[in-house]
Amino acid sequence: DVKVTQSSRYLVKRTGEKVFLECVQDMDHENMFWYRQDPGLGLRLIYFSYDVKMKEKGDIPEGYSVSREKKERFSLILESASTNQTSMYLCASSIPTGVGSTQYFGPGTRLLVL
Amino acid sequence: AQKITQTQPGMFVQEKEAVTLDCTYDTSDPSYGLFWYKQPSSGEMIFLIYQGSYDQQNATEGRYSLNFQKARKSANLVISASQLGDSAMYFCAMRDVTGGGNKLTFGTGTQLKVEL
Repeated sequence: DVKVTQSSRYLVKRTGEKVFLECVQDMDHENMFWYRQDPGLGLRLIYFSYDVKMKEKGDIPEGYSVSREKKERFSLILESASTNQTSMYLCASSIPTGVGSTQYFGPGTRLLVL
Repeated sequence: AQKITQTQPGMFVQEKEAVTLDCTYDTSDPSYGLFWYKQPSSGEMIFLIYQGSYDQQNATEGRYSLNFQKARKSANLVISASQLGDSAMYFCAMRDVTGGGNKLTFGTGTQLKVEL
């Protein structure tokens, strides 16, 4: 079974703090993704990576950066957390075989920025 | 631009009944994939079913089936014999070539509640 894990289920941070969200997958997938989920908006793509050290912006990259130093690990970084980044963050991974490739998700991190 | 529309923010169904969750999509690409995910209150997104744009038959996975009507650009999820454990948020998503084959575009979801 594909396993995607995220470092924290719940996180509380203060405005201005630097925040790291970690994601690890154990299926040797090339692609990894970070989404944020907000009520009424569904899931929106922040960044994705299709290989080590490679990344591309998604729909809402502002205020975020990412790091992929190893194939299995994809980190989302909030350089200076703000209250409007309070959200549910979901990581996913997949193999890169085009439109039919299923994305597998981690359990999510609920981030509260005070 | 790719777009997924789920018009039912919430649905109720009685246990053992069938329920249909609506999804319409918009894309100009001939090649695309449609996905349904389930998100229980725990938060994890669980993959349920996939339909490719060139697939001739509707996809089925156990109690889940996808009613794919290509001309109408709809991909409704049908859950047969609903169970209490089916209570969750359900998301429809699409992947097409315009998105580089990597990006999933999600709808806003339908909250399903199964009642006794």
